[in-house]
Amino acid sequence: DAKTTQPPSMDCAEGRAANLPCNHSTISGNEYVYWYRQIHSQGPQYIIHGLKNNETNEMASLIITEDRKSSTLILPHATLRDTAVYYCIVRVDDAGNMLTFGGGTRLMVKP
Amino acid sequence: GAVVSQHPSRVICKSGTSVKIECRSLDFQATTMFWYRQFPKQSLMLMATSNEGSKATYEQGVEKDKFLINHASLTLSTLTVTSAHPEDSSFYICSARGQGQPNNNQPQHFGDGTRLSIL
Repeated sequence: DAKTTQPPSMDCAEGRAANLPCNHSTISGNEYVYWYRQIHSQGPQYIIHGLKNNETNEMASLIITEDRKSSTLILPHATLRDTAVYYCIVRVDDAGNMLTFGGGTRLMVKP
Repeated sequence: GAVVSQHPSRVICKSGTSVKIECRSLDFQATTMFWYRQFPKQSLMLMATSNEGSKATYEQGVEKDKFLINHASLTLSTLTVTSAHPEDSSFYICSARGQGQPNNNQPQHFGDGTRLSIL
């Protein structure tokens, strides 16, 4: 699997957009970028994933650079409940293989 | 969206006890389920992968005789921690992947975890 690099922590003001970066410079052409988050003492929650096009859903937007070596997860209007650890994962999903979690980014949304 | 239910959410028991944790996919059939363990302030670590009707595949360093996994149906997998000791105290999380879609477009969904405390 391609390795990902994320900043260990970030702060964001409530109501502002939270932009969480992820570097995956060794990503292969058939590897997807997944984002999950884990709120304290809960299981990880799926947010979004993409291959090369930008993606948007009700939770967030995913911007993938043209060379696919990095991506940004955008929470358009962060709330206090978005405080969590956000994991960026790159994986080729062959034969149902699992996702490997790195350190993630601890996002603190402040009032 | 897809829901994975994990039970119990918390277990406190004495050393030497065996503990069973259930993981159910509620609105989809899970051909593959994964079991993770998470120690405080650390990331999730995969323990094993189970496919319905076959033996689980364990990650290096995970004792298969201590962590028994059964994936008897497309909606249920169980993890049994046998003869648990204090060092087995951790947060155990299951995950499931549905069938039907191509694997490379199918996100994993996670249960809410089981906090196991061995006294």
